[in-house]
Amino acid sequence: AQSVSQHNHHVILSEAASLELGCNYSYGGTVNLFWYVQYPGQHLQLLLKYFSGDPLVKGIKGFEAEFIKSKFSFNLRKPSVQWSDTAEYFCAVIQRGSQGNLIFGKGTKLSVKP
Amino acid sequence: DGGITQSPKYLFRKEGQNVTLSCEQNLNHDAMYWYRQDPGQGLRLIYYSQIVNDFQKGDIAEGYSVSREKKESFPLTVTSAQKNPTAFYLCASSPRAVLYEQYFGPGTRLTVT
Repeated sequence: AQSVSQHNHHVILSEAASLELGCNYSYGGTVNLFWYVQYPGQHLQLLLKYFSGDPLVKGIKGFEAEFIKSKFSFNLRKPSVQWSDTAEYFCAVIQRGSQGNLIFGKGTKLSVKP
Repeated sequence: DGGITQSPKYLFRKEGQNVTLSCEQNLNHDAMYWYRQDPGQGLRLIYYSQIVNDFQKGDIAEGYSVSREKKESFPLTVTSAQKNPTAFYLCASSPRAVLYEQYFGPGTRLTVT
């Protein structure tokens, strides 16, 4: 079955630490990739997306992600986290040619200590 | 303001009762979706609709029903057949079903006792 794996369930960092959240998917074909973020009490919102082109994608709030096709990965990074980055982060994938349904990972909760 | 509205924000029901969750969008999006979010489970697709008067089951459709009579509305009914209905329900829409990102509403937290 098609799946998206997020390696860490809960990550705890201090402010200014660097962040990398792992995401791997199981499809062999062409995919569109997304990272969504859910701040406490807020809507799920799009952080960044990859459709084609430069595999290093920059999103909002200083986040970036790198698509590595050979590793089926789309890891999310931020050089220096802030307390306000405390949220749950979801990786999601659409397989091109499919019905267009997003498949989500189980999410990674990030807690940033001030 | 353009966006997706879900009402109510919190909903409480007794076991055995059907309940309908509202989802409205004014983004002129063709496709709409319902997800269920449980702690540690991510988002799981319940139903989706790519056009008016048409919808398909997602991964966990049992115990749920939907309708899509208008482009802007996609209500979800949680029936008494749903064995574990207490959850956070998210509605989403996208301009077209394929290749585009989805935009999410604020969610409805349903508690059934």
